[in-house]
Amino acid sequence: EVQLVESGGGLVQPGRSLRLSCAASGFSFDYYAMHWVRQAPGKGLEWVSGISLNNGKIGYADSVKGRFTISRDNAKNSLYLQMNSLRPEDTALYYCARDTGFYDLWGRGTLVTVSS
Amino acid sequence: EIVLTQSPATLSVSPGERATLSCRASQSVSSNLAWYQQKLGQAPRLLIYGASTRATGIPARFYGSGSGTEFILTISSLQSEDYAVYYCQQYVDWPPYTFGQGTKLEIK
Repeated sequence: EVQLVESGGGLVQPGRSLRLSCAASGFSFDYYAMHWVRQAPGKGLEWVSGISLNNGKIGYADSVKGRFTISRDNAKNSLYLQMNSLRPEDTALYYCARDTGFYDLWGRGTLVTVSS
Repeated sequence: EIVLTQSPATLSVSPGERATLSCRASQSVSSNLAWYQQKLGQAPRLLIYGASTRATGIPARFYGSGSGTEFILTISSLQSEDYAVYYCQQYVDWPPYTFGQGTKLEIK
């Protein structure tokens, strides 16, 4: 089955770190750029970060630049998001998504809550 | 950064009627525009890409049109399962891809 499954979310205190993972299956992971998109409670969709299929291009939203690091391991069919110096405003459901220009495949998301 | 503005924020339409949702871009995105549907508690679902091409499995009652800076998503003859939040997204290039703020389609 073609799917993306996120994990690693949870409750974390402000200033702490968290690492999200996204496991891909059912397709050739190394053929696609991959992205993280988040959704704060009751809010819209916000692009967070993206990585090209061979790591040649990486980008971040201004709101997370310098704090978050995206990476991938094509041998493990996995995408990662290292989140440091977390803030309450980073509280959101984090989705990984497959980039075919648009996002044709989404995971179900992993919830990150930043609170003391 | 390309800003997408969706209107209206909330749209109330009766079942069986037609819904028209708008997305305006701050600069031309050509036809690099997608529409997504999101139901409560679910991930977004791709409806339309290339401004007018329906994704696999999307019913013909969903119709996308437009190019450049003005785009429309039309849903003819609304079904109960169509009530959801709809987002447009431009994919000219990243960083960043950007989304509109969403239109909530509710039952009238």
